[in-house]
Amino acid sequence: KQEVTQIPAALSVPEGENLVLNCSFTDSAIYNLQWFRQDPGKGLTSLLLIQSSQREQTSGRLNASLDKSSGRSTLYIAASQPGDSATYLCAAYNYGQNFVFGPGTRLSVLP
Amino acid sequence: GAGVSQSPRYKVAKRGQDVALRCDPISGHVSLFWYQQALGQGPEFLTYFQNEAQLDKSGLPSDRFFAERPEGSVSTLKIQRTQQEDSAVYLCASSLAGTNTEAFFGQGTRLTVV
Repeated sequence: KQEVTQIPAALSVPEGENLVLNCSFTDSAIYNLQWFRQDPGKGLTSLLLIQSSQREQTSGRLNASLDKSSGRSTLYIAASQPGDSATYLCAAYNYGQNFVFGPGTRLSVLP
Repeated sequence: GAGVSQSPRYKVAKRGQDVALRCDPISGHVSLFWYQQALGQGPEFLTYFQNEAQLDKSGLPSDRFFAERPEGSVSTLKIQRTQQEDSAVYLCASSLAGTNTEAFFGQGTRLTVV
């Protein structure tokens, strides 16, 4: 059964820093991995989807990488802004198992 | 519609009451998922539909939980005889087709059982 973990659980950085959020999964036979953002009391907003055949995806200041062999994905946020403050969740999709989410990383970007 | 819509946004139920939560997926999306999210945790899978067929209900925590999607679009998650441990946010997501497509989530329904 797929298990997903995220490190760190919480992160506080000053505005302008580049930062990396980590996601690990136990079953490397994934179809894709998706990163989401969740603001307090809100639903999930999709950030990036990486197919199993891809190594990385980029959207604006966000870059997500995928290394299936090591069971890891990282989300890189460049030049962080206070508006980036939220909880970031990764979810691995194994065929027949659906999305398995990590517990999230709670990010605070201080002005 | 433009996104996944869930209603109600908030629901307070007395213990033992039945509740029904509605999800309107993005038009044309074949796959629909329900997740349960406890405070401070990641979402946990409940059930999955492909069109009107419920292909996976392995995540439903008990037989008090029931989901349907009779016409392959709108879905309803029903919880019978609610208990305090059912208090959570219930999230619905849809995707265009099967596995290799991006999932879009609704705002969720926050259920509080008192």
